[in-house]
Amino acid sequence: GQQLNQSPQSMFIQEGEDVSMNCTSSSIFNTWLWYKQEPGEGPVLLIALYKAGELTSNGRLTAQFGITRKDSFLNISASIPSDVGIYFCAGQNSGNTPLVFGKGTRLSVIA
Amino acid sequence: SQTIHQWPATLVQPVGSPLSLECTVEGTSNPNLYWYRQAAGRGLQLLFYSVGIGQISSEVPQNLSASRPQDRQFILSSKKLLLSDSGFYLCAWSVYPTGELFFGEGSRLTVL
Repeated sequence: GQQLNQSPQSMFIQEGEDVSMNCTSSSIFNTWLWYKQEPGEGPVLLIALYKAGELTSNGRLTAQFGITRKDSFLNISASIPSDVGIYFCAGQNSGNTPLVFGKGTRLSVIA
Repeated sequence: SQTIHQWPATLVQPVGSPLSLECTVEGTSNPNLYWYRQAAGRGLQLLFYSVGIGQISSEVPQNLSASRPQDRQFILSSKKLLLSDSGFYLCAWSVYPTGELFFGEGSRLTVL
Protein backbone atom coordinates (compact mmCIF):
# COMPACT_ATOMS: atom_id res chain seq x y z
CA GLY A 1 0.00 0.00 0.00
CA GLN A 2 0.90 3.66 -0.09
CA GLN A 3 3.37 4.93 2.46
CA LEU A 4 4.42 8.33 3.65
CA ASN A 5 7.99 9.01 4.74
CA GLN A 6 7.93 11.58 7.51
CA SER A 7 11.07 13.19 8.84
CA PRO A 8 12.65 13.80 11.16
CA GLN A 9 11.45 11.07 13.50
CA SER A 10 12.15 13.29 16.52
CA MET A 11 13.45 16.76 17.29
CA PHE A 12 14.81 18.48 20.37
CA ILE A 13 14.84 22.26 20.03
CA GLN A 14 15.27 25.33 22.18
CA GLU A 15 12.28 27.51 22.90
CA GLY A 16 12.08 30.29 20.33
CA GLU A 17 13.64 28.28 17.51
CA ASP A 18 11.87 27.55 14.25
CA VAL A 19 10.95 23.97 13.34
CA SER A 20 10.58 22.27 9.98
CA MET A 21 9.32 18.78 9.21
CA ASN A 22 8.25 17.13 5.99
CA CYS A 23 6.54 14.21 4.36
CA THR A 24 7.24 12.58 1.03
CA SER A 25 5.42 9.94 -0.96
CA SER A 26 6.15 7.82 -3.99
CA SER A 27 2.63 8.44 -5.26
CA ILE A 28 0.41 11.46 -5.74
CA PHE A 29 -2.08 12.73 -3.18
CA ASN A 30 -4.92 15.20 -3.76
CA THR A 31 -5.12 16.26 -0.13
CA TRP A 32 -2.46 16.77 2.53
CA LEU A 33 -3.23 17.27 6.21
CA TRP A 34 -1.19 17.92 9.30
CA TYR A 35 -2.18 16.80 12.81
CA LYS A 36 -0.80 17.29 16.31
CA GLN A 37 -1.24 14.74 19.08
CA GLU A 38 -0.59 15.52 22.74
CA PRO A 39 -0.03 12.72 25.27
CA GLY A 40 -3.16 10.70 26.04
CA GLU A 41 -5.32 12.54 23.52
CA GLY A 42 -6.54 12.06 19.97
CA PRO A 43 -4.78 13.89 17.11
CA VAL A 44 -6.10 17.35 16.30
CA LEU A 45 -6.24 18.74 12.78
CA LEU A 46 -3.90 21.71 12.32
CA ILE A 47 -3.93 22.47 8.61
CA ALA A 48 -5.61 21.00 5.51
CA LEU A 49 -4.22 21.54 1.99
CA TYR A 50 -6.20 20.88 -1.18
CA LYS A 51 -4.25 22.40 -4.08
CA ALA A 52 -0.75 21.75 -5.37
CA GLY A 53 1.48 24.67 -4.43
CA GLU A 54 -0.93 25.87 -1.74
CA LEU A 55 0.68 27.58 1.23
CA THR A 56 -1.51 27.90 4.32
CA SER A 57 -0.88 29.39 7.75
CA ASN A 58 -2.52 28.81 11.10
CA GLY A 59 -0.95 31.18 13.62
CA ARG A 60 2.72 30.25 13.93
CA LEU A 61 2.22 27.18 11.74
CA THR A 62 2.71 27.19 7.99
CA ALA A 63 2.23 24.21 5.69
CA GLN A 64 2.69 23.75 1.96
CA PHE A 65 1.30 21.28 -0.55
CA GLY A 66 4.21 20.35 -2.82
CA ILE A 67 3.92 21.22 -6.50
CA THR A 68 4.55 17.58 -7.49
CA ARG A 69 1.71 16.45 -5.16
CA LYS A 70 4.16 14.01 -3.60
CA ASP A 71 5.30 16.03 -0.62
CA SER A 72 4.33 18.52 2.05
CA PHE A 73 6.11 20.39 4.80
CA LEU A 74 5.12 21.97 8.10
CA ASN A 75 6.98 24.86 9.70
CA ILE A 76 6.51 26.13 13.23
CA SER A 77 7.98 29.53 13.98
CA ALA A 78 9.22 30.73 17.38
CA SER A 79 8.47 27.47 19.18
CA ILE A 80 7.00 27.49 22.68
CA PRO A 81 6.71 24.71 25.30
CA SER A 82 3.10 23.93 24.38
CA ASP A 83 4.22 22.94 20.87
CA VAL A 84 5.44 19.66 22.39
CA GLY A 85 3.73 16.62 20.89
CA ILE A 86 3.72 14.28 17.93
CA TYR A 87 3.01 15.80 14.54
CA PHE A 88 1.54 13.58 11.84
CA CYS A 89 1.22 14.23 8.15
CA ALA A 90 -1.54 12.49 6.19
CA GLY A 91 -2.41 12.21 2.53
CA GLN A 92 -5.55 11.23 0.68
CA ASN A 93 -6.35 10.36 -2.92
CA SER A 94 -10.11 10.79 -2.96
CA GLY A 95 -12.86 11.67 -0.53
CA ASN A 96 -13.95 8.17 0.45
CA THR A 97 -10.54 6.53 0.75
CA PRO A 98 -8.88 6.45 4.18
CA LEU A 99 -6.03 8.80 4.94
CA VAL A 100 -2.49 7.48 4.74
CA PHE A 101 -0.53 8.65 7.78
CA GLY A 102 3.15 9.26 8.28
CA LYS A 103 4.79 7.74 11.35
CA GLY A 104 5.01 11.07 13.11
CA THR A 105 7.61 13.58 14.27
CA ARG A 106 8.03 13.81 18.04
CA LEU A 107 8.81 17.39 19.01
CA SER A 108 10.41 18.31 22.33
CA VAL A 109 10.93 21.95 23.27
CA ILE A 110 13.56 22.87 25.84
CA ALA A 111 12.75 26.02 27.77
CA SER B 1 -21.30 21.72 15.84
CA GLN B 2 -20.07 18.17 15.43
CA THR B 3 -18.78 16.15 18.35
CA ILE B 4 -17.36 12.68 18.71
CA HIS B 5 -17.34 10.69 21.90
CA GLN B 6 -15.86 7.30 22.63
CA TRP B 7 -15.91 5.19 25.75
CA PRO B 8 -14.67 3.82 27.99
CA ALA B 9 -11.62 6.07 28.29
CA THR B 10 -9.58 3.44 30.10
CA LEU B 11 -9.97 -0.32 30.24
CA VAL B 12 -7.94 -3.08 31.89
CA GLN B 13 -8.94 -6.56 30.75
CA PRO B 14 -7.56 -10.08 31.25
CA VAL B 15 -6.37 -12.14 28.31
CA GLY B 16 -9.25 -14.07 26.78
CA SER B 17 -11.96 -11.67 27.90
CA PRO B 18 -14.31 -9.88 25.46
CA LEU B 19 -14.06 -6.26 24.41
CA SER B 20 -16.51 -3.61 23.38
CA LEU B 21 -15.51 -0.02 22.62
CA GLU B 22 -18.18 2.40 21.48
CA CYS B 23 -18.06 5.59 19.50
CA THR B 24 -20.82 8.05 18.61
CA VAL B 25 -20.82 11.15 16.46
CA GLU B 26 -23.27 14.03 16.87
CA GLY B 27 -24.12 16.93 14.60
CA THR B 28 -23.53 15.32 11.22
CA SER B 29 -25.22 12.78 8.96
CA ASN B 30 -23.79 9.79 7.09
CA PRO B 31 -20.21 10.24 8.30
CA ASN B 32 -17.38 7.93 7.34
CA LEU B 33 -16.26 6.25 10.57
CA TYR B 34 -12.88 4.79 11.47
CA TRP B 35 -11.12 2.79 14.17
CA TYR B 36 -7.37 3.26 14.60
CA ARG B 37 -4.95 1.67 17.05
CA GLN B 38 -1.78 3.29 18.31
CA ALA B 39 0.88 1.31 20.17
CA ALA B 40 2.92 3.25 22.73
CA GLY B 41 5.03 5.91 21.02
CA ARG B 42 4.08 4.63 17.59
CA GLY B 43 2.06 5.70 14.58
CA LEU B 44 -1.61 5.25 13.72
CA GLN B 45 -2.74 1.90 12.38
CA LEU B 46 -6.09 1.83 10.58
CA LEU B 47 -8.16 -1.13 11.74
CA PHE B 48 -11.62 -0.62 10.22
CA TYR B 49 -13.58 1.98 8.34
CA SER B 50 -17.20 2.34 7.33
CA VAL B 51 -18.88 4.49 4.70
CA GLY B 52 -22.41 3.54 5.76
CA ILE B 53 -24.60 1.42 8.04
CA GLY B 54 -23.59 -2.22 7.89
CA GLN B 55 -20.63 -1.48 5.58
CA ILE B 56 -17.32 -2.36 7.20
CA SER B 57 -13.90 -2.54 5.57
CA SER B 58 -11.13 -4.31 7.45
CA GLU B 59 -7.58 -3.18 6.91
CA VAL B 60 -5.70 -5.62 9.11
CA PRO B 61 -6.64 -9.27 9.77
CA GLN B 62 -6.84 -9.87 13.51
CA ASN B 63 -9.15 -11.00 16.28
CA LEU B 64 -11.03 -7.68 16.33
CA SER B 65 -14.28 -6.86 14.57
CA ALA B 66 -16.31 -3.72 13.99
CA SER B 67 -19.98 -3.01 13.56
CA ARG B 68 -22.06 0.01 12.61
CA PRO B 69 -25.60 -0.59 13.86
CA GLN B 70 -26.67 3.04 13.41
CA ASP B 71 -25.57 5.90 11.16
CA ARG B 72 -23.51 7.62 13.84
CA GLN B 73 -22.45 4.68 15.99
CA PHE B 74 -19.35 2.57 15.52
CA ILE B 75 -18.41 -0.35 17.78
CA LEU B 76 -15.11 -2.22 18.08
CA SER B 77 -15.31 -5.71 19.54
CA SER B 78 -13.34 -8.80 20.33
CA LYS B 79 -14.49 -12.18 21.61
CA LYS B 80 -11.13 -13.03 23.19
CA LEU B 81 -8.47 -10.43 23.83
CA LEU B 82 -4.76 -11.09 23.30
CA LEU B 83 -1.85 -9.38 25.02
CA SER B 84 -0.98 -7.78 21.69
CA ASP B 85 -4.36 -6.02 21.62
CA SER B 86 -3.14 -3.54 24.23
CA GLY B 87 -2.92 -0.01 22.91
CA PHE B 88 -4.62 3.32 22.44
CA TYR B 89 -7.76 3.02 20.30
CA LEU B 90 -9.03 6.03 18.43
CA CYS B 91 -12.36 6.51 16.73
CA ALA B 92 -12.60 9.15 14.00
CA TRP B 93 -15.08 10.56 11.50
CA SER B 94 -15.02 12.41 8.22
CA VAL B 95 -17.60 13.61 5.73
CA TYR B 96 -17.23 13.10 2.00
CA PRO B 97 -15.81 14.78 -0.03
CA THR B 98 -13.35 16.43 2.36
CA GLY B 99 -10.59 14.25 3.70
CA GLU B 100 -10.51 16.02 7.04
CA LEU B 101 -10.56 13.45 9.82
CA PHE B 102 -11.68 14.28 13.36
CA PHE B 103 -10.64 12.06 16.23
CA GLY B 104 -12.25 11.12 19.51
CA GLU B 105 -10.52 11.30 22.87
CA GLY B 106 -9.20 7.76 22.66
CA SER B 107 -9.62 4.59 24.74
CA ARG B 108 -6.58 3.10 26.42
CA LEU B 109 -6.77 -0.69 26.62
CA THR B 110 -4.39 -2.75 28.73
CA VAL B 111 -4.61 -6.52 28.41
CA LEU B 112 -2.99 -8.42 31.26
